[in-house]
Amino acid sequence: DTAVSQTPKYLVTQMGNDKSIKCEQNLGHDTMYWYKQDSKKFLKIMFSYNNKELIINETVPNRFSPKSPDKAHLNLHINSLELGDSAVYFCASSRGTVPSYEQYFGPGTRLTVT
Amino acid sequence: QQPVQSPQAVILREGEDAVINCSSSKALYSVHWYRQKHGEAPVFLMILLKGGEQKGHEKISASFNEKKQQSSLYLTASQLSYSGTYFCGTEDSGAGSYQLTFGKGTKLSVIP
Repeated sequence: DTAVSQTPKYLVTQMGNDKSIKCEQNLGHDTMYWYKQDSKKFLKIMFSYNNKELIINETVPNRFSPKSPDKAHLNLHINSLELGDSAVYFCASSRGTVPSYEQYFGPGTRLTVT
Repeated sequence: QQPVQSPQAVILREGEDAVINCSSSKALYSVHWYRQKHGEAPVFLMILLKGGEQKGHEKISASFNEKKQQSSLYLTASQLSYSGTYFCGTEDSGAGSYQLTFGKGTKLSVIP
């Protein structure tokens, strides 16, 4: 059983389009995250939800909007895609918030904007 | 504030040891270590908490010097499977931070 899953795995789209990435975890965790990993492998947090409540909202363009319909799901919607949005987006979950809990990462979604 | 990792890259022969360092300019509450293999997701290795508590991998050890805001990951008798990029993630001691800030990573290559 996959602990943290993401769909799609690959996403190729044109500038200006709107796209969504979905994440689900079956670990019973309370906290979920979205990270962006750029071409230089820099892993940066974007958002975090704890029990469906947004607790981290980093400096991210308003074109990015997360939604957590329940504790097991966290989706990311991106409007008006730009070239600079090309990256690998990782979803992660943990039993609680840091510092004590390890994070489990999903397989990633590689987004390519042309 | 992003922690600084060193070295940026290291090449080892099987059986050799390595140390990866992570330092921050801020007081830290915790340090997390993850390993990412090419094309895969980061995988948890270890957590070190202020006060000395540790959680993590049996075959990998780490230290956390709270006063110096530094952590080191020790890889002994390296195996080919240790290859990958190692990231440290730090949580500042500021109240309610709830997030990890990752370093730029250390690429470790183990060769036969």
